[in-house]
Amino acid sequence: GENVEQHPSTLSVQEGDSAVIKCTYSDSASNYFPWYKQELGKRPQLIIDIRSNVGEKKDQRIAVTLNKTAKHFSLHITETQPEDSAVYFCAASRDGQNFVFGPGTRLSVLP
Amino acid sequence: DAMVIQNPRYQVTQFGKPVTLSCSQTLNHNVMYWYQQKSSQAPKLLFHYYDKDFNNEADTPDNFQSRRPNTSFCFLDIRSPGLGDAAMYLCATSRASGNQPQHFGDGTRLSIL
Repeated sequence: GENVEQHPSTLSVQEGDSAVIKCTYSDSASNYFPWYKQELGKRPQLIIDIRSNVGEKKDQRIAVTLNKTAKHFSLHITETQPEDSAVYFCAASRDGQNFVFGPGTRLSVLP
Repeated sequence: DAMVIQNPRYQVTQFGKPVTLSCSQTLNHNVMYWYQQKSSQAPKLLFHYYDKDFNNEADTPDNFQSRRPNTSFCFLDIRSPGLGDAAMYLCATSRASGNQPQHFGDGTRLSIL
């Protein structure tokens, strides 16, 4: 079955700097990769997703890149702000029904 | 305008006393999921329904069961809660076609006395 690894497990950056979180997956048939942000005590919320037919997607300060050959995808946050502090989860799916989550990255943006 | 609604937000039960958590959705999604999340960990999938088809994860304890009486509602039943079952329980939905994301509810935090 699919296995998703995520690094780093914790990440601290200064406000205004960029943050990068990387995930690798094992199932070459996976073709959909969402990223979720979860603030303390709240539900995971989708922040960006990418499908396997594209290599990069951007939404304002957030971008995701996908390398299908290497089976890894990354979340990039530029100009980080304190409200970006949260736990971020990547996930992978091959059928839009079964999702495998990474273990999460706790991002702290220091003022 | 919450689309995936979980009740209650907080639930306290006694060790061994059955408890039911509920989830409803207004999205008309055909897949509904139940996750268990303990602090600082990723959500752990317990089971999901694809329409009426029930899909149990291999490592989900027998103590956990689920019902989906119709498209909109799904229930998580914990027959004899143990202290280790204290966690946040998240319900999610997805359309399961065209690679669409999951939509999560706010969760129910379960405490065991």
